[in-house]
Amino acid sequence: DGGITQSPKYLFRKEGQNVTLSCEQNLNHDAMYWYRQDPGQGLRLIYYSQIVNDFQKGDIAEGYSVSREKKESFPLTVTSAQKNPTAFYLCASSIAGGNNQPQHFGDGTRLSIL
Amino acid sequence: GESVGLHLPTLSVQEGDNSIINCAYSNSASDYFIWYKQESGKGPQFIIDIRSNMDKRQGQRVTVLLNKTVKHLSLQIAATQPGDSAVYFCAETPGNQFYFGTGTSLTVIP
Repeated sequence: DGGITQSPKYLFRKEGQNVTLSCEQNLNHDAMYWYRQDPGQGLRLIYYSQIVNDFQKGDIAEGYSVSREKKESFPLTVTSAQKNPTAFYLCASSIAGGNNQPQHFGDGTRLSIL
Repeated sequence: GESVGLHLPTLSVQEGDNSIINCAYSNSASDYFIWYKQESGKGPQFIIDIRSNMDKRQGQRVTVLLNKTVKHLSLQIAATQPGDSAVYFCAETPGNQFYFGTGTSLTVIP
């Protein structure tokens, strides 16, 4: 089945630790996105990538980093610089970025602080 | 910044009744809109989309209405079923980035 796979489903971070969230898609989509979801708020864009080896900051990129070495993979690292990392993180992809194409989402990773 | 919101944060309906979920958007340049359904602990699921050159679009048991004059979007679900219980939110884009609403929690009463 084609889709977006996020792992792990739950993740715990210790003080001063960097953690990496995985996102893999087999939809052959060019564009991939990372969002953060907090209670009572709409999704907020962290980073996006429209093509391999290229990515752009979203509205809340501080404390996060990404890479896009392969078309199907877009991992997100939550660094120790992110002081409020507890949230539900969603990865999405679309056929192409910026062309009014629907974004399709994975089932998220819930990150908590130990 | 963008402002995409929903009029009602919660909605309860009887099984078999029709549901209407509303969304207001503020960017008159937005030309593409999506409704998503999100169940607890899962990612958002695409329901239906509509482009600004249309006023209405129908899918299976769902209809989206777009009123560009008042910048209002609605999702109608016919014959609501218990499996429809979830959070529904809208998304809008003027072409470069999506902006998401906070969502309406729909509860279907058996």
